[in-house]
Amino acid sequence: GAVVSQHPSRVICKSGTSVKIECRSLDFQATTMFWYRQFPKQSLMLMATSNEGSKATYEQGVEKDKFLINHASLTLSTLTVTSAHPEDSSFYICSARVGQIYEQYFGPGTRLTVT
Amino acid sequence: GQQLNQSPQSMFIQEGEDVSMNCTSSSIFNTWLWYKQDPGEGPVLLIALYKAGELTSNGRLTAQFGITRKDSFLNISASIPSDVGIYFCAGRYPFQVAQKLVFGQGTRLTINP
Repeated sequence: GAVVSQHPSRVICKSGTSVKIECRSLDFQATTMFWYRQFPKQSLMLMATSNEGSKATYEQGVEKDKFLINHASLTLSTLTVTSAHPEDSSFYICSARVGQIYEQYFGPGTRLTVT
Repeated sequence: GQQLNQSPQSMFIQEGEDVSMNCTSSSIFNTWLWYKQDPGEGPVLLIALYKAGELTSNGRLTAQFGITRKDSFLNISASIPSDVGIYFCAGRYPFQVAQKLVFGQGTRLTINP
């Protein structure tokens, strides 16, 4: 149980284009999902908290117009990197909280490379 | 902001040895979670701790929620090659409405053949 999937697992795009990453909870309903960014050999950096049916809450320093988050249903949240630039290249990972407990389950991550 | 110090940053051990790593916080936490991340993958939850003093095992892994609520440790007994990876502690402090987790910097475990 508590499986989270992400799609795509890898994406290469040209500078200036937009990329959408999907995060799905496969066997549970996730009222809250989180989006993280991870640079090589570093820890996870929380970008935003996404609640179903409401606007995402972004961490300080994260541009909400750059990283658009939509949590349209209890099993799907999407992150769109708009007008991507090479510095946006990173490993993006989503996680979902299961019900009222505090455990978070992570997706397998999406490797974004912007050329 | 909230600081989580995880140590050691890296460990090089022989197969079969026991491993110990820990995390300390500058503030009280009410939840401690331990994750393992393999290269190119998302973190996998190993153990969740919810009460001060709680000691929980998952196979060869044992983790404890420190009695002061500011620390936690993870032990791995009789390490095997598949234990290689990066281990992260994560905590949640009380009255945190957004349910956000704070992560340690990670402990990279390498097992020498």
